[in-house]
Amino acid sequence: KQEVTQIPAALSVPEGENLVLNCSFTDSAIYNLQWFRQDPGKGLTSLLLIQSSQREQTSGRLNASLDKSSGRSTLYIAASQPGDSATYLCAVRPNNNDMRFGAGTRLTVKP
Amino acid sequence: KAGVTQTPRYLIKTRGQQVTLSCSPISGHRSVSWYQQTPGQGLQFLFEYFSETQRNKGNFPGRFSGRQFSNSRSEMNVSTLELGDSALYLCASSLGWDSPLHFGNGTRLTVT
Repeated sequence: KQEVTQIPAALSVPEGENLVLNCSFTDSAIYNLQWFRQDPGKGLTSLLLIQSSQREQTSGRLNASLDKSSGRSTLYIAASQPGDSATYLCAVRPNNNDMRFGAGTRLTVKP
Repeated sequence: KAGVTQTPRYLIKTRGQQVTLSCSPISGHRSVSWYQQTPGQGLQFLFEYFSETQRNKGNFPGRFSGRQFSNSRSEMNVSTLELGDSALYLCASSLGWDSPLHFGNGTRLTVT
């Protein structure tokens, strides 16, 4: 059974700092991996989707990498801003199966 | 392009009642999936539909059911509500498994 773990559970950084969020999964047989952000009381907003054949994806200040063999993904946020404060979740889609979500990392960026 | 729309936004029900939640996917999306989010368990998969067929089902009791209509709109139903069913229920749509999931803002269900 696929398990997804996100470390750390919470992170507080000063504005302008570069940071890395980690996601690990137990079964490397995945179809794709997706990163989301969730603001309090809201749904999830898709940030980046990495297919199993890809190594990384970039969107603006965000870069996500995928290492299937080691069961790891990282989300890199450059020059963090207070508006980046949210909970970040990663989710993996095992082959032919439903999405499995991590518990998330709660990020606070202090002005 | 309109996003995923979930109605109602909030619901308060009492134990033993049943409830129906609605989800309208992004236009053109044929895949709809449902999730339950609670502080203790996080996001848990309920079921997924594609072109009116249930493709996958999560590990939830039979009180939880769903369906998808020919216009891709989906509903989920919970019968005989229990206190533990209180949660944020999220719906997501996508073009398919290799496409990003797009979520609605959810329905907050409170069971008293």
